[in-house]
Amino acid sequence: EVQLVESGGGLVKPGGSLRLSCAASGFTFSNAWMSWVRQAPGKGLEWVGRIKSKTDGGTTDYAAPVKGRFTISRDDSKNTLYLQMNSLKTEDTAVYYCTTISYYYDSSDAFDIWGQGTMVTVSS
Amino acid sequence: SYELTQPPSVSVSPGQTARITCSGDALPKQYAYWYQQKPGQAPVLVIYKDSERPSGIPERFSGSSSGTTVTLTISGVQAEDEADYYCQSADSSGTYMFGGGTKLTVL
Repeated sequence: EVQLVESGGGLVKPGGSLRLSCAASGFTFSNAWMSWVRQAPGKGLEWVGRIKSKTDGGTTDYAAPVKGRFTISRDDSKNTLYLQMNSLKTEDTAVYYCTTISYYYDSSDAFDIWGQGTMVTVSS
Repeated sequence: SYELTQPPSVSVSPGQTARITCSGDALPKQYAYWYQQKPGQAPVLVIYKDSERPSGIPERFSGSSSGTTVTLTISGVQAEDEADYYCQSADSSGTYMFGGGTKLTVL
């Protein structure tokens, strides 16, 4: 079964750090471009950032609100995606989803496999 | 990056056709994607590359594109289609964006 399972969410104070993990199974993780998408309570979806497969260079891109504070990495030996979040702000409070990009639908920008999400709350 | 604009809400009676639009200046050059999200659940891809339907998505879901506007059409709406719908696209610099979302209410 194709699956993405996020973990690591929780309550953190403003200015603090947190690392999220996303465990992948049921597909060839090393071939996948991966992304993080977040959703603040009662709000819409917001793209956070992306990491390409190592075959395609393994480079990262980030949305403006998180650039310089968040870092996406991957460990293909563990089939795991990470999101290191530093200098957290109250506006980073959201459910964080990990997704594949265009795994099933080649040459597209579709977020086609989603995890169930993990909640991050930034509050004093 | 650019913005995608959706109507906040659309209402339709069961069996009727729902149309949800998404506008953006780059849409003539970039594909659009549509996601359905029900309360407490992760989003699900329902349309990719403007008009392609993933396997397992009912045929009543279709997509189209015209100029700077893409449209998600749900024909013969069912009660189970009540959800939030988001359009999404990307630009050539590797940035992705979502529309603000449209709440579909089945009356």
